[in-house]
Amino acid sequence: NAGVTQTPKFRILKIGQSMTLQCAQDMNHNYMYWYRQDPGMGLKLIYYSVGAGITDKGEVPNGYNVSRSTTEDFPLRLELAAPSQTSVYFCASSKASVSNQPQHFGDGTRLSIL
Amino acid sequence: DQQVKQNSPSLSVQEGRISILNCDYTNSMFDYFLWYKKYPAEGPTFLISISSIKDKNEDGRFTVFLNKSAKHLSLHIVPSQPGDSAVYFCAASPMNRDDKIIFGKGTRLHILP
Repeated sequence: NAGVTQTPKFRILKIGQSMTLQCAQDMNHNYMYWYRQDPGMGLKLIYYSVGAGITDKGEVPNGYNVSRSTTEDFPLRLELAAPSQTSVYFCASSKASVSNQPQHFGDGTRLSIL
Repeated sequence: DQQVKQNSPSLSVQEGRISILNCDYTNSMFDYFLWYKKYPAEGPTFLISISSIKDKNEDGRFTVFLNKSAKHLSLHIVPSQPGDSAVYFCAASPMNRDDKIIFGKGTRLHILP
């Protein structure tokens, strides 16, 4: 039972570098989400997708890009890493809208920008 | 401007007693509420939810109460067990609006032996 798998678990980037955070789910869920959690704060929605080929912005999308070419995968791209993007990133999936089905979360990617 | 507030950063409760975690919200458009539990180095795990048409939802040891007029909800855990020690997040959204999910900052619950 893999559920939602995020890679890598940890990463250190230099300012201006780019990287892709990977997220894969094996539950055939239509909905997928990316959140960030800053120290002492709640989770904030970055982007979400209701199905392959469809993505929408959440509360804090600036500095990020996403794509959803398959049902299983929902990568998050940082093009020009900035110190403000130091955070823990969580990917989640659900069968339908959060008000109809609970979200399943991955274990997170801890990202530091130095 | 916090739309979902968990005003207690931490809470300590004796094993076997009741744990009560509180959450307040300001946005009257919220009509669906969730509680998640999080252990260190893991992702949040869904615990229980409630829609605004109800004032109580129960699942085993966990009960969520919603007071719409006060814009307040609470999570009761009875009896509290050592494995309940975790961070608990309250979240809210308008029904079927996944782009409007707002999380509180969390409350760290310590269950004392």
